[in-house]
Amino acid sequence: SYVLTQPPSVSVAPGQTARITCGGNNIGSESVHWYQQKPGQAPVLVVYDDSDRPSGIPERFSGSNSGNTATLTISRVEAGDEADYYCQVWDSSSDHRGVFGTGTKVTVL
Amino acid sequence: QVQLQESGPGLVKPSETLSLTCTVSGGSISSYYWSWIRQPAGKGLEWIGRLYTSGSTNYSPSLKSRVTMSVDTSRNQFSLRLSSVTAADTAVYYCARGLTGYGHYFDSWGQGILVTVSS
Repeated sequence: SYVLTQPPSVSVAPGQTARITCGGNNIGSESVHWYQQKPGQAPVLVVYDDSDRPSGIPERFSGSNSGNTATLTISRVEAGDEADYYCQVWDSSSDHRGVFGTGTKVTVL
Repeated sequence: QVQLQESGPGLVKPSETLSLTCTVSGGSISSYYWSWIRQPAGKGLEWIGRLYTSGSTNYSPSLKSRVTMSVDTSRNQFSLRLSSVTAADTAVYYCARGLTGYGHYFDSWGQGILVTVSS
């Protein structure tokens, strides 16, 4: 089964850049999607297909994917960006199934 | 903007069947994929399964033997049944719409419903 590994936590000062990694075997050949989840709320899609943003998502959120690591970058971090972030791929290798990363808690100092 | 709303019992007894419904408003349920995703308290997201409005389904291998999903296009609803539940099935359950671009992702989510398995 496909496994996606994320660091448990990332801390960043306001105005700085946060980078959240998502590791997986040859993940660069997959399409990676990212979700933001604030406490008590449902997840919100912030990046899809590696680097596209849904309407309404600030340009400060960007994504990249290559080799064994995908990265969500949050530029000019704001207090409101503090949340859990999850990466996700669709595993079509055998069973078609959704796979989520382990999740990263972003703390704004 | 499509909206999703989960409904169903918040408490289920061990060994019984968990049944949830997701009602879609603000758009048609037809011609989309629809998924169920759950999250135990303090833990990460787990994909349960998806269905297409034709009725075709894909389920998580770890839950496949206990999961059934169905759709009622006339009511703009789809449903989840999870049998033989245990305390490990206690979680917030989300329904979500799936879109397929280069990959498959979830662009709209319900607010979630907490289901507790306890006698």
